[in-house]
Amino acid sequence: TQLLEQSPQFLSIQEGENLTVYCNSSSVFSSLQWYRQEPGEGPVLLVTVVTGGEVKKLKRLTFQFGDARKDSSLHITAAQPGDTGLYLCASHQILHSGGYQKVTFGTGTKLQVIP
Amino acid sequence: GAVVSQHPSRVICKSGTSVKIECRSLDFQATTMFWYRQFPKQSLMLMATSNEGSKATYEQGVEKDKFLINHASLTLSTLTVTSAHPEDSSFYICSAKIGLAGDEQYFGPGTRLTVT
Repeated sequence: TQLLEQSPQFLSIQEGENLTVYCNSSSVFSSLQWYRQEPGEGPVLLVTVVTGGEVKKLKRLTFQFGDARKDSSLHITAAQPGDTGLYLCASHQILHSGGYQKVTFGTGTKLQVIP
Repeated sequence: GAVVSQHPSRVICKSGTSVKIECRSLDFQATTMFWYRQFPKQSLMLMATSNEGSKATYEQGVEKDKFLINHASLTLSTLTVTSAHPEDSSFYICSAKIGLAGDEQYFGPGTRLTVT
């Protein structure tokens, strides 16, 4: 079973600071998604990365996929209070030739941005 | 597009009763739906994968007789928590995939279950 470790688990920063969240796996991802979840709501997809070394930008968020496709990072520039939430990485692993995909979520990073 | 709804959003039930949670894809057909459970301040744990017209595939440690999943149509999957106990209290979230291609899932808003 693929394990996804996220670090840090908790992060409390002041508005305007930069931060990076990491997602690491024991095995290769076929693809990796980053989600943000607010309390009492379902996760919202931020980005999907597929190619090793890929970098995607979404406004102040920069997502990077490791060359070996076993790790990924999310960097937020000039964090805002609205960035507060639980950030989750998730991977899909094809378990057999029939195409069944097992989805595994990372351990999560809870971010609090203080005004 | 790609909206997933869940009903109810919150439910309180007494121990020993059963509760049904619905997951609907509103503007697309979902051949595969997933059910997750999330405890406070923790990540999502996959409970089962539901394919339309076939039996659900349960993750290890999830009791299939306790968590009954039915995926009767391409837009509806239901999770029934049978003989609920306080330890079943949790946040249950479903997600759906569009067709067979692609890895992206779209999540419902979740259902908060409290068993008293």
